Amino acid sequence: EPEVTQTPSHQVTQMGQEVILRCVPISNHLYFYWYRQILGQKVEFLVSFYNNEISEKSEIFDDQFSVERPDGSNFTLKIRSTKLEDSAMYFCASSVSGATQYFGPGTRLTVL
Amino acid sequence: AQSVTQLDSQVPVFEEAPVELRCNYSSSVSVYLFWYVQYPNQGLQLLLKYLSGSTLVKGINGFEAEFNKSQTSFHLRKPSVHISDTAEYFCAVSPITQGGSEKLVFGKGTKLTVNP
Repeated sequence: EPEVTQTPSHQVTQMGQEVILRCVPISNHLYFYWYRQILGQKVEFLVSFYNNEISEKSEIFDDQFSVERPDGSNFTLKIRSTKLEDSAMYFCASSVSGATQYFGPGTRLTVL
Repeated sequence: AQSVTQLDSQVPVFEEAPVELRCNYSSSVSVYLFWYVQYPNQGLQLLLKYLSGSTLVKGINGFEAEFNKSQTSFHLRKPSVHISDTAEYFCAVSPITQGGSEKLVFGKGTKLTVNP
């Protein structure tokens, strides 16, 4: 069964450094998303992406964040200058039609 | 805007007992409804969904949920739980729009602990 994959599973970085989180969505899916879950809190929407552009973004998704689909398979989330409060589990999701979203296993980002 | 309330943050039950995890939502537009499960140190797995049709939906691992539009609820049930059902369960909604790429809005989650 096709799955969303994410790399790395755990990323440790210093405050102020740039990080890129990578996702490979399910191959025939057209809609892509990033969510995050700070430890002990609810899962929060960051951004949705369709037809090579951002469809919607949350207040969290400020100028420090960007997304890209550099080729036909990868979907990336970049944080330009990480802050302590960016420490969280980041989930990628994809969907065929925008209705049902399938999630990857997540990347745990730790900012020191 | 949408919001989701999961009334119980923790639910302890004994093995083979029935369980109900409650979820209520508010929305000014029609929504799709979902339950996701997160096992320890893992990602979010789709348990079941309501898009349209019958209000009683069945999912994986013997779970089912019933959509009640008048009460804006989507409670999750299982008649007999197993130790392996120990996990955190998240209710989520997304608004139905023509755009088709709407975000999911999640509840805070319910930790189900099944004891022997």
